[in-house]
Amino acid sequence: DIQMTQSPSTLSASVGDRVTITCRASQSISSWLAWYQQKPGKAPKLLIYKASSLESGVPSRFSGSGSGTEFTLTISSLQPDDFATYYCQQYNSYLWTFGQGTKVEIK
Amino acid sequence: QVQLQESGPGLVKPSETLSLTCTVSGGSISSYYWSWIRQPAGKGLEWIGRIYTSGSTNYNPSLKSRVTMSVDTSKNQFSLKLSSVTAADTAVYYCAREDSSGKVFDYWGQGTLVTVSS
Repeated sequence: DIQMTQSPSTLSASVGDRVTITCRASQSISSWLAWYQQKPGKAPKLLIYKASSLESGVPSRFSGSGSGTEFTLTISSLQPDDFATYYCQQYNSYLWTFGQGTKVEIK
Repeated sequence: QVQLQESGPGLVKPSETLSLTCTVSGGSISSYYWSWIRQPAGKGLEWIGRIYTSGSTNYNPSLKSRVTMSVDTSKNQFSLKLSSVTAADTAVYYCAREDSSGKVFDYWGQGTLVTVSS
């Protein structure tokens, strides 16, 4: 199975900061990588698909990049609504797996 | 706007079978894959399996021996059964739709907490 490792596990930042979260796959997944945002008590929300494509309705301050085994999610200017937990997700051979999550906290 | 709603018992006894149903509204269940995903409290997300409207399924190998999924297109519903549950199966269970690429989940239910306890 492909393992997904996110870093950091927790990130403390201030409104307006540029934030970057990394996700590494244990083997190449091409560009089959998505990012989700989850707030407490809510379902995850799709932000980015196919590594760098922005889901409709998602603010442009969110961007994704990478291919193969290393991927990043960047928030260009952190907003109050962005404090949440972020998960990466990969697809390979009829198995979907998620990273362990990165919690973005208020500094 | 597609909406998904999970339903089923919130408490299941150890060794029994967990049964959940997801009702899809605001769109047809046809021509999409539908998945179940779970999340233990304070932990990450685990994909359980998926079903197509034809009834074709794929399951997570780690749960495959205990999982059965079914679909009822006439009711716009799909279901999950997880047998021989233990406390480790206590989690929030989400149903979700795969987008047209079949690689990501674009619509999710609100989730339902299932506790395994005697």
